Amino acid sequence: KAGVTQTPRYLIKTRGQQVTLSCSPISGHRSVSWYQQTPGQGLQFLFEYFSETQRNKGNFPGRFSGRQFSNSRSEMNVSTLELGDSALYLCASSLAVNTDTQYFGPGTRLTVL
Amino acid sequence: SQQGEEDPQALSIQEGENATMNCSYKTSINNLQWYRQNSGRGLVHLILIRSNEREKHSGRLRVTLDTSKKSSSLLITASRAADTASYFCAPVGFQKLVFGTGTRLLVSP
Repeated sequence: KAGVTQTPRYLIKTRGQQVTLSCSPISGHRSVSWYQQTPGQGLQFLFEYFSETQRNKGNFPGRFSGRQFSNSRSEMNVSTLELGDSALYLCASSLAVNTDTQYFGPGTRLTVL
Repeated sequence: SQQGEEDPQALSIQEGENATMNCSYKTSINNLQWYRQNSGRGLVHLILIRSNEREKHSGRLRVTLDTSKKSSSLLITASRAADTASYFCAPVGFQKLVFGTGTRLLVSP
């Protein structure tokens, strides 16, 4: 089976812009979770989607949003980018729930200038 | 908080030595998972231990779980330079999986 894929791998944006990141889970996996990783805050949970519905959400402002499509692919969007949004954004998929074993993609490195 | 806390934050050893990392948590769990992350990459699942298990092995990895003390340990035996990475524990309750801050392991040749 192909692993979790994330696109793009690298992204450079400027403050105020918006960005959309994409994640394709492992075939058959229905849960997709997103994480933000920064040197200062570590790995922080953003949200989890299952069957096109957001099932769990972390403590992030409304500028961070996501969605899941019927084929389980997911996108996350960050609007009005801030310098502090520079991070590695990781997507992970699991069979049914976020508490199952997570399979991670390689991440998208976002730099906000 | 469900988040695990790894200890030590950083560990430096020589190839061939054993490495032990600890994880403490505060809430009841369903299972506890350990992950490895090589620099700047995604996490890789290493092992999952359920709350009714006390010890689990996978190759050179040995994980223990003490639910009475709310702690777990990950032992890597006969370490190799390729084991250099950050290691995260994730105590799993009945909601979302939350990662700790990790232990950075450096294995020198």
